[in-house]
Amino acid sequence: QQKVQQSPESLTVSEGAMASLNCTFSDGTSNNFRWYRQHSAKGLEVLVSIFSDGEKEEGRFTAHLNRANLHVSLHIREPQPSDSAVYLCAVTTSGSWQLIFGSGTQLTVMP
Amino acid sequence: EAGVTQSPRYAVLQEGQAVSFWCDPISGHDTLYWYQQPRDQGPQLLVYFRDEAVIDNSQLPSDRFSAVRPKGTNSTLKIQSAKQGDTATYLCASRDSLTGQLYFGEGSKLTVL
Repeated sequence: QQKVQQSPESLTVSEGAMASLNCTFSDGTSNNFRWYRQHSAKGLEVLVSIFSDGEKEEGRFTAHLNRANLHVSLHIREPQPSDSAVYLCAVTTSGSWQLIFGSGTQLTVMP
Repeated sequence: EAGVTQSPRYAVLQEGQAVSFWCDPISGHDTLYWYQQPRDQGPQLLVYFRDEAVIDNSQLPSDRFSAVRPKGTNSTLKIQSAKQGDTATYLCASRDSLTGQLYFGEGSKLTVL
């Protein structure tokens, strides 16, 4: 059974400073990785999807994937207070349509 | 293009009562998912459909939970005899078969007193 873990549980950064979030997964055959953002009482907004080792940038959001280390990270450049939200990592295993989520990182961006 | 629509947005029940949540996916998306998200946790898959067929319902918590998608479009998730432990947000998502991307509704927040 795929296990997805995120760290840290919460993170506070100042406006404009880089924010870095981490996600580890247990199944090395995983091939589909997504980062979502969830504002309070709102649905999930996909930020970036990555399918191969390396880096994928979508605006201010950059994902780094290293499948050998079972690790995917999200870096937020120049975060703003409106970026304050829960960030969720989600992983799909090859051959499955199931998306398995981590428990999230609560990001707070201070003005 | 309309997104995934869920209703009701909020429900408050006493233990033992029943509730139904409704989901209208994005038109043309053949795969539909229901997730349960307890407070301060990530979403956990309950059940998913392709068209009207249940692909996997093994993670429905108990026989108090049921889900249907009779015409392969809208779906209903029903909880009978609700318990306090069912307190959570119930998220519906539909999948774009071309990109594999999941699109989520805003969720139905359930509180069981």
